[in-house]
Amino acid sequence: SQTIHQWPATLVQPVGSPLSLECTVEGTSNPNLYWYRQAAGRGLQLLFYSVGIGQISSEVPQNLSASRPQDRQFILSSKKLLLSDSGFYLCAWGAPERLHEKLFFGSGTQLSVL
Amino acid sequence: KNQVEQSPQSLIILEGKNCTLQCNYTVSPFSNLRWYKQDTGRGPVSLTIMTFSENTKSNGRYTATLDADTKQSSLHITASQLSDSASYICVVKNSNSGYALNFGKGTSLLVTP
Repeated sequence: SQTIHQWPATLVQPVGSPLSLECTVEGTSNPNLYWYRQAAGRGLQLLFYSVGIGQISSEVPQNLSASRPQDRQFILSSKKLLLSDSGFYLCAWGAPERLHEKLFFGSGTQLSVL
Repeated sequence: KNQVEQSPQSLIILEGKNCTLQCNYTVSPFSNLRWYKQDTGRGPVSLTIMTFSENTKSNGRYTATLDADTKQSSLHITASQLSDSASYICVVKNSNSGYALNFGKGTSLLVTP
């Protein structure tokens, strides 16, 4: 069966520090991978998606970047965190061959930038 | 303006009671509508996905309905349990939007003993 792992679960970082969140998927190959952010009282916002190794698409301009160094690994990074980067970050995967792609989410990372 | 509006924003019900959550959307052209359940501090879990031709879909005690003409959906929870306490998120996909989804802000449901 497929599983998705996301870590860390919580993170407190000072403003201006770097960030690296990692997400890995098991039990499937060539998944579509996604990074979402969920701010308090707001809907999920798509940050990045990837349809293959090294292929990254950004939905919104921001202080963050993403990389996919391996088929089932997706990394969210920042060189210098801003206060506005605080939020709940979710990684998700989907099966690209399905017409109506079902998304499976990781358990999330609660990031607090102080 | 958000293209997916959910109501109520929050709801408290007694264990064993039924409840219905609403979702209105303006997303067009329509591809599919999803309901997710999100426990506090966890990632969302899919409950149902409905396409244009589907009016009703059930998943255990959860039943979702879709009226694509009026652009409305509802999620009915039968015989609620304490474990149903969560945020329920309505998500609508635009068939022209590639990989982007339109997320509602969710309805926060609390089931009390």
